[in-house]
Amino acid sequence: NAGVMQNPRHLVRRRGQEARLRCSPMKGHSHVYWYRQLPEEGLKFMVYLQKENIIDESGMPKERFSAEFPKEGPSILRIQQVVRGDSAAYFCASSPPPGGGQYFGPGTRLLVL
Amino acid sequence: EDQVTQSPEALRLQEGESSSLNCSYTVSGLRGLFWYRQDPGKGPEFLFTLYSAGEEKEKERLKATLTKKESFLHITAPKPEDSATYLCAVRVDAGGTSYGKLTFGQGTILTVHP
Repeated sequence: NAGVMQNPRHLVRRRGQEARLRCSPMKGHSHVYWYRQLPEEGLKFMVYLQKENIIDESGMPKERFSAEFPKEGPSILRIQQVVRGDSAAYFCASSPPPGGGQYFGPGTRLLVL
Repeated sequence: EDQVTQSPEALRLQEGESSSLNCSYTVSGLRGLFWYRQDPGKGPEFLFTLYSAGEEKEKERLKATLTKKESFLHITAPKPEDSATYLCAVRVDAGGTSYGKLTFGQGTILTVHP
């Protein structure tokens, strides 16, 4: 059973460009979560999605960030007009019903030059 | 605001030297406390979920316990391969919409020397 898959694993962008991060949940999981880990900081929740629905986006910055989990295909975290402060590791996790454990992917390391 | 504090920040042990990591939390409506292991450059690896005070879970050399205000991760006779950052997280009942959100502590960096 394949785990949570994220791609790309590393992404380099220049200031002002767009970054698209993809996440495929574990087979049978319909709940997806995105977290960000800034250098020297802990994991911070960003958004929780189910298929075609955003359940909780309380951790998402108000501007430039968006997330989706379409009926078909992976979940996408999109960062528009990236700035150097967006450089971080972005982790996706998935779960069956949200009462259980969340299983994390390997992360995407975003570097903004 | 929900708070999760882990201690110590870093812990160095000799192989075979048992010890405990602490995770204290200040939340209302706890709906699960989670322990993860994270190796450098990798995603967190799920270890345990605890739901109620008095609950214990074990996996190999690790044992997690939960009280009403804190959790302990006991490591018995650790080996160098147990070296990693151990993360604690909580999930709270916030009227349903935040039921999926985990709030993490800063982690404890464990180093086990041979």
